[in-house]
Amino acid sequence: AQSVTQLDSQVPVFEEAPVELRCNYSSSVSVYLFWYVQYPNQGLQLLLKYLSGSTLVKGINGFEAEFNKSQTSFHLRKPSVHISDTAEYFCAVSEGAGSYQLTFGKGTKLSVIP
Amino acid sequence: NAGVTQTPKFQVLKTGQSMTLQCAQDMNHEYMSWYRQDPGMGLRLIHYSVGAGITDQGEVPNGYNVSRSTTEDFPLRLLSAAPSQTSVYFCASRKPGQVSREQYFGPGTRLTVT
Repeated sequence: AQSVTQLDSQVPVFEEAPVELRCNYSSSVSVYLFWYVQYPNQGLQLLLKYLSGSTLVKGINGFEAEFNKSQTSFHLRKPSVHISDTAEYFCAVSEGAGSYQLTFGKGTKLSVIP
Repeated sequence: NAGVTQTPKFQVLKTGQSMTLQCAQDMNHEYMSWYRQDPGMGLRLIHYSVGAGITDQGEVPNGYNVSRSTTEDFPLRLLSAAPSQTSVYFCASRKPGQVSREQYFGPGTRLTVT
């Protein structure tokens, strides 16, 4: 069965500093990987996804993530954060070509400090 | 397109009461699902449906009931509300075979059971 581990529950970072939010997954088959963002009191919005091909994936708002199969990781990065990036970020995995289900990590709260 | 809509936005119930959370989508998505979000737990799958007349259980189905009579609607019923069901509930939908494999989320329903 698939599972997702987000290693940090909270990440404080100063404005304009870089940030990395870590995500590891476990699965015995091929996976599709996603990062979603949830702004306060809102629903979830897709930031980026890895389906196949290039392991470096670029998403919205300047975020990118790198799929590393050997380390079973899909870490999210941004070179310079803004106050507006303060939100909760969720890593999710969908296992196998025929699966519709998403398994989510527990989330990482990113707080950008002015 | 309105996307995925959920009603109500907020609800307070007393223990033992029943209610239905509504979810509708206008994107002709066969796959629909319900998640609950609790602090520090991420999103957990309650029930899902791959088409009208077909439903199945997710990770945390106890205390919830679903049916799918149309492609557009996927209501979630709480049969006898308990304080442990205090949570934020999200509905999501997806089109099987869609290359992007993206799930679209509604804005959520915040439920408090006293």
